[in-house]
Amino acid sequence: NAGVTQTPKFQVLKTGQSMTLQCAQDMNHNSMYWYRQDPGMGLRLIYYSASEGTTDKGEVPNGYNVSRLNKREFSLRLESAAPSQTSVYFCASRGGSYGYTFGSGTRLTVV
Amino acid sequence: GQQLNQSPQSMFIQEGEDVSMNCTSSSIFNTWLWYKQDPGEGPVLLIALYKAGELTSNGRLTAQFGITRKDSFLNISASIPSDVGIYFCAGLPPNAGNNRKLIWGLGTSLGVNP
Repeated sequence: NAGVTQTPKFQVLKTGQSMTLQCAQDMNHNSMYWYRQDPGMGLRLIYYSASEGTTDKGEVPNGYNVSRLNKREFSLRLESAAPSQTSVYFCASRGGSYGYTFGSGTRLTVV
Repeated sequence: GQQLNQSPQSMFIQEGEDVSMNCTSSSIFNTWLWYKQDPGEGPVLLIALYKAGELTSNGRLTAQFGITRKDSFLNISASIPSDVGIYFCAGLPPNAGNNRKLIWGLGTSLGVNP
C-alpha cells in the first residue's frame, strides 16, 4: 500500500518557469491538502480539496493553482515560479479519522 | 489566524533521558494530534487525542489532552537515537467543519546524543 505518492522528489526551476507537482493517494480518501514547509514557519496550507470536484484556498494560495483531477489525484501548479516559492511541498490526504497521511515531499528550488 | 504555541523550539538531550514538549492555544480544540517528521520525509502521526483529559500511550510515547482543551503535551521516555526529528502538534478547532483543516504548531526539533 503506497499511501500518498508525490512526484517529483526534487526540482530546480528558473524564475518565471512553470511546473506541476503531482500527488496521488490510494487510500480512497475524500480530502486532500497541499502544504509548504519553510524553516521556522512550520506547515502552511496552500490549498485543499474536501472532496472530489471541490477546491478551496488555504493560508498562502497566492502564486499557486490546484486541480482535483479525480478522487485519487490532486495537483499543484506554479504558473510563474518565484524565488519565494523555494520550499518543501507536502501533499496529504485524510479519510474518516482526523489524522492526515503525508507524502514524502517535493523539494523545489527556484533560482 | 489561529496558532498553536509549541515549546521548546529545539532541544538536545543524552540518549536514555526523558523528553517533554507541549503545545498551548488561546482557544479550545476538539482534537489534538502529535506528528513526527524524520529528516527528508513527511510527518507521520504518532498519537491522536479526542477528549479532554485523555491520556494515551504509544510505546515510549505518552500524550495528554489538557483538561481546559487549550493544551496538550507529549512525553518520550528513555530516548534513543532514532527519536531524532521534528515533532509537531496539531489541533482541530470546533469550527473546522467538513474540511477538517488542522492548526499546526511550529515544531520541536529533537536531537539525541548517543
